[in-house]
Amino acid sequence: GAVVSQHPSWVICKSGTSVKIECRSLDFQATTMFWYRQFPKQSLMLMATSNEGSKATYEQGVEKDKFLINHASLTLSTLTVTSAHPEDSSFYICSARDPGGGGYNSPLHFGNGTRLTVT
Amino acid sequence: KQEVTQIPAALSVPEGENLVLNCSFTDSAIYNLQWFRQDPGKGLTSLLLIQSSQREQTSGRLNASLDKSSGRSTLYIAASQPGDSATYLCAVGTGANSKLTFGKGITLSVRP
Repeated sequence: GAVVSQHPSWVICKSGTSVKIECRSLDFQATTMFWYRQFPKQSLMLMATSNEGSKATYEQGVEKDKFLINHASLTLSTLTVTSAHPEDSSFYICSARDPGGGGYNSPLHFGNGTRLTVT
Repeated sequence: KQEVTQIPAALSVPEGENLVLNCSFTDSAIYNLQWFRQDPGKGLTSLLLIQSSQREQTSGRLNASLDKSSGRSTLYIAASQPGDSATYLCAVGTGANSKLTFGKGITLSVRP
């Protein structure tokens, strides 16, 4: 089945530094990937839609200069948290839809998430 | 703006019980509805996807139904097992790229 790989699974960084999270589709090409953020006991909140070869589309209230998204190939999207602060500590999850699986009605496949802790 | 609600937030049942998890949404203009399972500290595993034109989907001991007009979906789990213990998330796909809006999830605990 379709697999989405996310790396790293956890990271601890100091306040003010930047952290890059990778999301790869392993056995399919994804023109679109989605980045979510999840706080404890809360639902997943869509941060942005990553589009291969073009700019990402950010949800309202998400700072595009802080959360840099690059979708340089059909199998890789990256999220960089710039100048991280403790309030950026969260669980970040990416997802992708296998375009060969039925368009908008194919299920989204999720990575295992990245636990970011900013000290 | 689409809102997805899952109540209760937590549920504890004895092993072997059949159970129903509920999900409601405010905007019926959806492409699909998807149920996921999330284990602690992990990503999401897709369980079932129901297209807007469908009424239900089945996979093994799981059955999901969709009533789009009333904005409701249920996930039925038959003969629950301790391994079913996890958080179950409901999400509806709407708008451009069929973006998913998630509920907060129901944390299920199945007692041996």
